Amino acid sequence: SAVISQKPSRDICQRGTSLTIQCQVDSQVTMMFWYRQQPGQSLTLIATANQGSEATYESGFVIDKFPISRPNLTFSTLTVSNMSPEDSSIYLCSARPTVLADTEAFFGQGTRLTVV
Amino acid sequence: GENVEQHPSTLSVQEGDSAVIKCTYSDSASNYFPWYKQELGKGPQLIIDIRSNVGEKKDQRIAVTLNKTAKHFSLHITETQPEDSAVYFCAASPPNAGNMLTFGGGTRLMVKP
Repeated sequence: SAVISQKPSRDICQRGTSLTIQCQVDSQVTMMFWYRQQPGQSLTLIATANQGSEATYESGFVIDKFPISRPNLTFSTLTVSNMSPEDSSIYLCSARPTVLADTEAFFGQGTRLTVV
Repeated sequence: GENVEQHPSTLSVQEGDSAVIKCTYSDSASNYFPWYKQELGKGPQLIIDIRSNVGEKKDQRIAVTLNKTAKHFSLHITETQPEDSAVYFCAASPPNAGNMLTFGGGTRLMVKP
């Protein structure tokens, strides 16, 4: 299994500012993903972080709002830009070791973001 | 794309009783079905998974069954304990969907001592 560390674990931010969340995996993984989880809700995929290329965003999420970096096989960042209170949520990093669809996916502990 | 529905949304059981959570999926090509447990303030933790070539899998008090024909799978927890109280998510993974998981809506399980 992969151990995923996310930083920060929580933050309170002013509207209009940006926050970058870091995700570090303890082993090389092929696939990394970023999810958003609204309070009491399920997980919604924001984007797939592709190593060496631009991230692939899901419907409703755009690069200008959620820029993502993936400089290597163990690290990724998600930035929440120009924040508003609607961005208050839990942001989760996930990793799958291979491209095979039937392999395990692991999650970090999440970043709880509150925008005031 | 894949759609996963999960029932019930909340489940309350007495300690020692069994709990069953059910999920249905829409894409018959999905071949991997994990279950996650999420405790308050933590990320989802993989507790058990099943692949499409298997009908049932068991790990101590936890078991998962898969019915490919009906496109549904279930999580069974026996001899529930208060520490089983959490939110449980099912998910499905189609082979041609960019390696992403599609999650069900979640079930809040409460085990009363």
